[in-house]
Amino acid sequence: QVQLVQSGAEVREPGASVKVSCKASGYTFTTYYMHWVRQAPGQGLEWIGLIKPSSDTTTYAQKFQGRVTMTRDTSTSTVYMELSSLRSEDTAVYYCARENIVNDYWGQGTLVTVSS
Amino acid sequence: DIQMTQSPSSLSASVGDRVTITCRASQGISNYLAWFQQKPGKVPKLLIYAASTLQSGVPSRFSGSGSGTDFTLTISSLQPEDVATYYCQKYNSAPREFGQGTKVEIK
Repeated sequence: QVQLVQSGAEVREPGASVKVSCKASGYTFTTYYMHWVRQAPGQGLEWIGLIKPSSDTTTYAQKFQGRVTMTRDTSTSTVYMELSSLRSEDTAVYYCARENIVNDYWGQGTLVTVSS
Repeated sequence: DIQMTQSPSSLSASVGDRVTITCRASQGISNYLAWFQQKPGKVPKLLIYAASTLQSGVPSRFSGSGSGTDFTLTISSLQPEDVATYYCQKYNSAPREFGQGTKVEIK
């Protein structure tokens, strides 16, 4: 069965960086794109970007360009999302989500809290 | 970028009622439209893709329609377990914008 298991909650100070992982299992890792979506407390879903695991190609939302980096490790079937220059507005739950036409499987979410 | 606008932002209806949520794209997206359900404290769940194709395992009381710029999600008979926030998302191209969400409650 398809599973996406994300790393645990993180707390960072403003200006720092955070790297969240998403380990995939139950399918061929390189076949499907992986997306990252975030949700601030009490707010809606916000698309951050995607990575194509087979080629390491990435596409980012313009809002996050220059601050986000998505990478993958095919040996462990894991994708990573690193966000830098954190500010309080980046406090959110971050989700990875597999694309099979659309996002059919989602990770459990990782809470990132930015606070001094 | 194409913007996605949902209406209403929230609604309250009785069990058994027919509920309709609309999603409008600022430009045509053909049928590249998905609907997600997010229950409180839970992960979003895919309900519908290609505007009207029901994801496997989703109850048949959910249906979707539309093409181009105007789309609709309908719950034919609202059930207590349908209390959630519903999001539309375009997926014809990046960025894959979501609508702002519609919160559905039981009256």
